[in-house]
Amino acid sequence: EPEVTQTPSHQVTQMGQEVILRCVPISNHLYFYWYRQILGQKVEFLVSFYNNEISEKSEIFDDQFSVERPDGSNFTLKIRSTKLEDSAMYFCASSEEPGGLDQPQHFGDGTRLSIL
Amino acid sequence: AQKITQTQPGMFVQEKEAVTLDCTYDTSDPSYGLFWYKQPSSGEMIFLIYQGSYDQQNATEGRYSLNFQKARKSANLVISASQLGDSAMYFCAMREGPNTGNQFYFGTGTSLTVIP
Repeated sequence: EPEVTQTPSHQVTQMGQEVILRCVPISNHLYFYWYRQILGQKVEFLVSFYNNEISEKSEIFDDQFSVERPDGSNFTLKIRSTKLEDSAMYFCASSEEPGGLDQPQHFGDGTRLSIL
Repeated sequence: AQKITQTQPGMFVQEKEAVTLDCTYDTSDPSYGLFWYKQPSSGEMIFLIYQGSYDQQNATEGRYSLNFQKARKSANLVISASQLGDSAMYFCAMREGPNTGNQFYFGTGTSLTVIP
């Protein structure tokens, strides 16, 4: 069964550094998402992406964050000037288009980001 | 107000017994979808079951069923014949509106432990 692939599985970065999290969505999916989950807390929406542009973003997704689809397969989340509170599990997800309300978002296994 | 509320931080169930995980939601949109995801200790998010706001019947997927009470705005997950492998975090999520690109709102999750 096709799946969303995220790399790396664990990223350790010094505070203030930039980090890029990578995702390969399911090949026929056209909607892409990033979520984060701080340890022990709920999953929070960051951003959705469709047709090479952001379609929706949350308050968390400020100027520190950016997303890009640099080629036909990868979908990346860049976090600039990382802070301790950016430490979290970051999930990439994708869903089909066209689709109905019943389309689940398929999640990757996540990247655990640890800021030191 | 919270879009999704899961009031049970932790639940225990005896192996082979059934268990109900509670979820209530809040939306004024007539079109919405409700989803349950399982998150094992390894961290990945696994889609379990979907219920649409216009569905007349409760959704079922194998040992998973959804007790959908629209007037009460609840969408409880029922796991029948619990197995040790069911021990995990369970998240209820909602998507509003017909646009498949809309974000998911997640609850805080319920940690289920199946006792042998």
